[in-house]
Amino acid sequence: EDKVVQSPLSLVVHEGDTVTLNCSYEVTNFRSLLWYKQEKKAPTFLFMLTSSGIEKKSGRLSSILDKKELFSILNITATQTGDSAVYLCAVNNAGNMLTFGGGTRLMVKP
Amino acid sequence: GAGVSQSPSNKVTEKGKDVELRCDPISGHTALYWYRQSLGQGLEFLIYFQGNSAPDKSGLPSDRFSAERTGGSVSTLTIQRTQQEDSAVYLCASSFQQEWRAFFGQGTRLTVV
Repeated sequence: EDKVVQSPLSLVVHEGDTVTLNCSYEVTNFRSLLWYKQEKKAPTFLFMLTSSGIEKKSGRLSSILDKKELFSILNITATQTGDSAVYLCAVNNAGNMLTFGGGTRLMVKP
Repeated sequence: GAGVSQSPSNKVTEKGKDVELRCDPISGHTALYWYRQSLGQGLEFLIYFQGNSAPDKSGLPSDRFSAERTGGSVSTLTIQRTQQEDSAVYLCASSFQQEWRAFFGQGTRLTVV
């Protein structure tokens, strides 16, 4: 059974801090790893990672995948209150099945 | 359509009644997923469609839950004899077979009173 574990469960930081969110996984026939941000109801897509060691970057957010050690990290630099959300990690297997982790709840205080 | 569309956006129902939740995926997306999210919890997988068939129904919590997809497009999730523990946000997502990136609808918030 595919499994995704995220840590920490929750995190409180102040504006301007840098945070690192972790995602480890066990999946049969790995295809990709995805990060989502969930503020209200629907998660919004952030990154898709398929290859090890290649950093994906979007503004203050970046992510990298390590397929040997089976984990990914999501970094957010110079955090802002608008970054407060639940960050979800998911893995996609060869059968196109998505398995989600439990999420990390990030709160950024002014 | 431009995005994944779910209806209704909110549904309040009495315990014991049946409900139908609808998901209209992005046009051309072959894969469709249903998830459930209870308050403050992570995403719980329910069922996954590839075309009209459901290779994985393992997440359906009980036989009161069923889902179908017709014409490789619209999907309906049906909950019979609703219970209070069914209250949650039900999220639908779709993706191209080859792209692997899923797009989510805005969800249906179900409240069973």
